[in-house]
Amino acid sequence: AQSVTQPDARVTVSEGASLQLRCKYSYSGTPYLFWYVQYPRQGLQLLLKYYSGDPVVQGVNGFEAEFSKSNSSFHLRKASVHWSDSAVYFCVVNSGGSNAKLTFGKGTKLSVKS
Amino acid sequence: AQTIHQWPVAEIKAVGSPLSLGCTIKGKSSPNLYWYWQATGGTLQQLFYSITVGQVESVVQLNLSASRPKDDQFILSTEKLLLSHSGFYLCAWSLGWGVQNTLYFGAGTRLSVL
Repeated sequence: AQSVTQPDARVTVSEGASLQLRCKYSYSGTPYLFWYVQYPRQGLQLLLKYYSGDPVVQGVNGFEAEFSKSNSSFHLRKASVHWSDSAVYFCVVNSGGSNAKLTFGKGTKLSVKS
Repeated sequence: AQTIHQWPVAEIKAVGSPLSLGCTIKGKSSPNLYWYWQATGGTLQQLFYSITVGQVESVVQLNLSASRPKDDQFILSTEKLLLSHSGFYLCAWSLGWGVQNTLYFGAGTRLSVL
């Protein structure tokens, strides 16, 4: 069965600093990976997704993620964070099938200090 | 553009009382629809999915039921709420199948059962 681990429940960075949120997955096949963001009192918004090709994928708002098959990782990065990036970030694996059963990590709550 | 609307935004209900949560998708024909649930402190898990009107598949047994009375509407309900039903409920839609299936989420309903 697939699983997703986000080892950091909370991350605090200063505005303008760089960011990396870690994600490790376990999946026997070729995964389809996502990062979603949940802003306060809102639903989930898609940041980026990866299935194949260039292991570095660009997303919205300056976010990017790098896929590593050897490390079973899909870390999210941003060169310079803004206070508005404060939110909860979820790493997600889609195992396929007709029900699109997504496996979510527990999320990393990012706080950006101004 | 497609929109997804969930109602209500929040509910406070008594144990044993009935519940009905709704979700409407506009701008997409015959989407796949999903209900996800996030218990307080937990991760998101899929509860139900629907491929077409009148057909709903249960993924997790939580003494909840779901129905799809119209192509663009998905309802989550129960006749008797339990304390364990508290949490955050998200409706989502997608087109297509398989690992490349991307889900788009509503803003969610926060449910507190007292």
